[in-house]
Amino acid sequence: QTVVTQEPSFSVSPGGTVTLTCGLSFGSVSTNFYPSWYQQTPGQAPRTLIYSTSIRSSGVPDRFSGSILGNKAALTITGAQADDESDYYCVLYMGSGIWVFGGGTKLTVL
Amino acid sequence: QVQLVESGGGVVQPGGSLRLSCAASGFTFSSCGMHWVRQAPGKGLEWVTFIRYDGTNKYYTDSVKGRFTISRDTSKNTLYLEMNTLRAEDTAVYYCATDWTFSHMGVWGKGTTVTVSS
Repeated sequence: QTVVTQEPSFSVSPGGTVTLTCGLSFGSVSTNFYPSWYQQTPGQAPRTLIYSTSIRSSGVPDRFSGSILGNKAALTITGAQADDESDYYCVLYMGSGIWVFGGGTKLTVL
Repeated sequence: QVQLVESGGGVVQPGGSLRLSCAASGFTFSSCGMHWVRQAPGKGLEWVTFIRYDGTNKYYTDSVKGRFTISRDTSKNTLYLEMNTLRAEDTAVYYCATDWTFSHMGVWGKGTTVTVSS
């Protein structure tokens, strides 16, 4: 069974930089998995941040960026703000019409 | 603007059925693939199913295969999720989402809540 891995939690200071990662229980993440990232605050619907590894969705501030770092997809937040405190999810397209979410990372800004 | 509005959620007994709807507006629905994604209480997001823009191909996560059916009605700009033989573990908020490029979820609805309980 495919498992997409994310850090369960992370903290960052206001104004700081944080990199969240998205890996696979087997193998490496590449652009071929079309990694995408979503932000969700409690009680709200998810919001699309990044798709196809590094393309920012419309209206997403440029302090959010996506990349491949080593064998994982990565979401970097530069100059973190208080309202960036959210849950962040990655999704990988596994091929054959199957998508798998990671377990999510709870980001605290303090 | 692009808008998705889910409806049809509710409380149903184990083994029961429910049909969710997702009304789309603000874009060319017939050109867009669509996902259903769910989130159990206190848990993460789980991809459930996807239908291509023309309805020709449908894909499901293993846990719902044979029980859930995704469909779309282009004349009504509406996406559906028919859920049968419901189980307690199907309890979740169900979101629909667009996918123009067969690669990721784009715009999301606000979700509809399904509770499976006796």
